[in-house]
Amino acid sequence: AQKITQTQPGMFVQEKEAVTLDCTYDTSDPSYGLFWYKQPSSGEMIFLIYQGSYDQQNATEGRYSLNFQKARKSANLVISASQLGDSAMYFCAMREGERDDKIIFGKGTRLHILP
Amino acid sequence: KAGVTQTPRYLIKTRGQQVTLSCSPISGHRSVSWYQQTPGQGLQFLFEYFSETQRNKGNFPGRFSGRQFSNSRSEMNVSTLELGDSALYLCASRTGRTYNSPLHFGNGTRLTVT
Repeated sequence: AQKITQTQPGMFVQEKEAVTLDCTYDTSDPSYGLFWYKQPSSGEMIFLIYQGSYDQQNATEGRYSLNFQKARKSANLVISASQLGDSAMYFCAMREGERDDKIIFGKGTRLHILP
Repeated sequence: KAGVTQTPRYLIKTRGQQVTLSCSPISGHRSVSWYQQTPGQGLQFLFEYFSETQRNKGNFPGRFSGRQFSNSRSEMNVSTLELGDSALYLCASRTGRTYNSPLHFGNGTRLTVT
């Protein structure tokens, strides 16, 4: 069974609009971490934001915020005021447990920002 | 600080050959992970090394192996290459000291098997 599910293979959004990229996860471990990465067409993977399972508040980093709904096992990425440069693949990833250093990735969502 | 460096950037090999990919992590990072990225399967975890020890391994056949040296540099080897091994191989490093430290990726090695 997939542990990280990204249900939107592709999205088209108008520039300057806010975008929500969905991510659901599956784990029975009470301690876990969730990451979002961006992969532009150039190929490099860029770390965007992190949310720990015990964090009381939703993580924010500039225009990126993470809508963390623990009971729903959901960790959606919200990009405010989208820009053309936000066009890329976005991956949600999870680390289970505090000792397990295996980080697994969802299949990604390709985001297209339209001018 | 220099980022994660992977060499070579591109490789073309023939079925049955073997290949070695190299990764130099960010200075001070002791954990190195390897991933295989393909359009169909996405990013799949291969293995993770910390202080020269393999801590985690993904579901790949034994043809895929790796190692880490005392300076944290890592190599990945694939023997008896198959067409399906064509992929982008990404190396990532992290400090490994805290469980919330993110992975920092290199630009990858694009392997084509013909």
